[in-house]
Amino acid sequence: EVQLVESGGGLVQPGGSLRLSCEVSGFTFSSSWMTWVRQAPGKGLERVASIKPDGSDKYYVDSVKGRFTISRDNAKNSLYLHMNSLRAEDTAVYYCAGDILRGQGTLVTVSS
Amino acid sequence: DIVMTQSPDSLAVSLGERATINCKSSQSILYRPDNKNLLTWYQQKPGQPPKVLIYWASTRESGVPDRFSGSGSGTDFTLTISSLQAEDVAIYYCQQHYGSFTFGQGTRLEIK
Repeated sequence: EVQLVESGGGLVQPGGSLRLSCEVSGFTFSSSWMTWVRQAPGKGLERVASIKPDGSDKYYVDSVKGRFTISRDNAKNSLYLHMNSLRAEDTAVYYCAGDILRGQGTLVTVSS
Repeated sequence: DIVMTQSPDSLAVSLGERATINCKSSQSILYRPDNKNLLTWYQQKPGQPPKVLIYWASTRESGVPDRFSGSGSGTDFTLTISSLQAEDVAIYYCQQHYGSFTFGQGTRLEIK
């Protein structure tokens, strides 16, 4: 059974930092592109960042370039999203995904 | 990036009637080595994560009622609910993972 479990969300002040984690099981993580997706309150689903299986290629949506970093540890079947200089507009539920989104998400709230 | 466009944005259907949602990709998402269309349909209810209904354009996820079906190939896809039930009120999203990872804008389905 495919499982993706996100963690690390919480309340953070504007300008602060947070690291999200995603533990994966049930598929071959080390050969899969992985993606972070977010959903702001009342909005649709938006790809935030993606990473190649070996970590050598990464994609970021323009709004997070220079602030967020996606990384992975294939030995631990884990995906990460390091978020710096957080803004109110980064408030969202963050999901990790392989080819298909199957996680429950973790809520990030940026507020003073 | 491949752009996914859903139609309509919202839809009201009577209980027991058929509901049809369309999704069009800006380029073909047919992966020829496997002859699979890399398209997934999700259902999302308020306060819940997206739930997988259909993957590979037409394969129903385990446990999903058979009133949900997916069809199409290449660039044009359809999600059909054959007999609308009250519990089907939700927002529906299509998503492709051919070379990138993008969602349609969502279709809100309501009872007429």
